[in-house]
Amino acid sequence: KNEVEQSPQNLTAQEGEFITINCSYSVGISALHWLQQHPGGGIVSLFMLSSGKKKHGRLIATINIQEKHSSLHITASHPRDSAVYICAVKGTSGSRLTFGEGTQLTVNP
Amino acid sequence: GAGVSQSPSNKVTEKGKDVELRCDPISGHTALYWYRQSLGQGLEFLIYFQGNSAPDKSGLPSDRFSAERTGGSVSTLTIQRTQQEDSAVYLCASSLQGGALMNTEAFFGQGTRLTVV
Repeated sequence: KNEVEQSPQNLTAQEGEFITINCSYSVGISALHWLQQHPGGGIVSLFMLSSGKKKHGRLIATINIQEKHSSLHITASHPRDSAVYICAVKGTSGSRLTFGEGTQLTVNP
Repeated sequence: GAGVSQSPSNKVTEKGKDVELRCDPISGHTALYWYRQSLGQGLEFLIYFQGNSAPDKSGLPSDRFSAERTGGSVSTLTIQRTQQEDSAVYLCASSLQGGALMNTEAFFGQGTRLTVV
């Protein structure tokens, strides 16, 4: 079992739909990151969370430390949101990030 | 520069040759990370530099892999005697600070796509 698991692995939505991507982890963490990777391979950091909820534009990220679970929500999805979304956690010792395998999101017009 | 810069963006090499991948982190960022993403796989940690401390090399897959960071800035990842399984996208990231208690955002480069033929 991976330390970081994401679901779903693949998600196809219609433009305008509300999207949720989930991340569960099994280790103690000091922070959780949501990353976006576009087809060209570049990675952009969307959020870094250690508690509660953050919002940036149409993106919302939440984390429940007790349940070891985080969700990334996209409201009013758009085709340009199509990308791989990756959850990564930073443990309580050391500095490395441990990554989930990513969720491939495709938003159709 | 404004972001993390990696070069080359693409590298094709013959099996058995050595390659060097370069990362220029964001100016002032003391923490620098190398990750690898093989085709169809998730991201894998390779090595971490923090200031002048000894690097965390625990993710390097074999002794053919090494990395250095000169002057606390530019880093070079070297792969000796490349094998086909080394083919992957190699990503560099930097952050203002690192360490278990320092949760600062990591900024990623565009990566170097290495193909070993």
